[in-house]
Amino acid sequence: SQQGEEDPQALSIQEGENATMNCSYKTSINNLQWYRQNSGRGLVHLILIRSNEREKHSGRLRVTLDTSKKSSSLLITASRAADTASYFCARYTGTASKLTFGTGTRLQVTL
Amino acid sequence: SQTIHQWPATLVQPVGSPLSLECTVEGTSNPNLYWYRQAAGRGLQLLFYSVGIGQISSEVPQNLSASRPQDRQFILSSKKLLLSDSGFYLCAWSVTGNQPQHFGDGTRLSIL
Repeated sequence: SQQGEEDPQALSIQEGENATMNCSYKTSINNLQWYRQNSGRGLVHLILIRSNEREKHSGRLRVTLDTSKKSSSLLITASRAADTASYFCARYTGTASKLTFGTGTRLQVTL
Repeated sequence: SQTIHQWPATLVQPVGSPLSLECTVEGTSNPNLYWYRQAAGRGLQLLFYSVGIGQISSEVPQNLSASRPQDRQFILSSKKLLLSDSGFYLCAWSVTGNQPQHFGDGTRLSIL
């Protein structure tokens, strides 16, 4: 079963606005990863944040991790129509060679 | 550079027919390999993963099976498809279990 949820399930914003997606989980993690999926395509890795890190940046992406609250957030600044996609968080717990994916947030960026 | 190939892109099969989906990785050795299924508008369900040739871990008991006959080849099979097997099947690889996964473009499977 899926561990954790993403919030919101869907988000609609206008181009230029910021988009924030949240990911909560229940068990301890070794690292947490964010992925993007365009409609009908495979997932693309965006950022990996380790359990001892609190924040990471990559271009217009900012990821935060709060292990005490068992939550992470992905911020996309100055969104573009091309950012329209589903975004998933995935947790690596260290107990097996696999990731556990969240349910995803569908982001729609309109002109 | 590393690439992952997954085929076919689309497949329509009758109930009760067999299935074979193939995934191959190029440009790396001894990758971890993964098969996922994704229902429409939903998250990913891990079906099988493999950390080496002949080593298969099954996550969900079902009428699907997986095999890894070669280091960079991962095959998803079924002897008899069910309607519930419809979905979007994704193959992925990673260097190790804690590293980012790299996905193929998926196979959309429809069962009639």
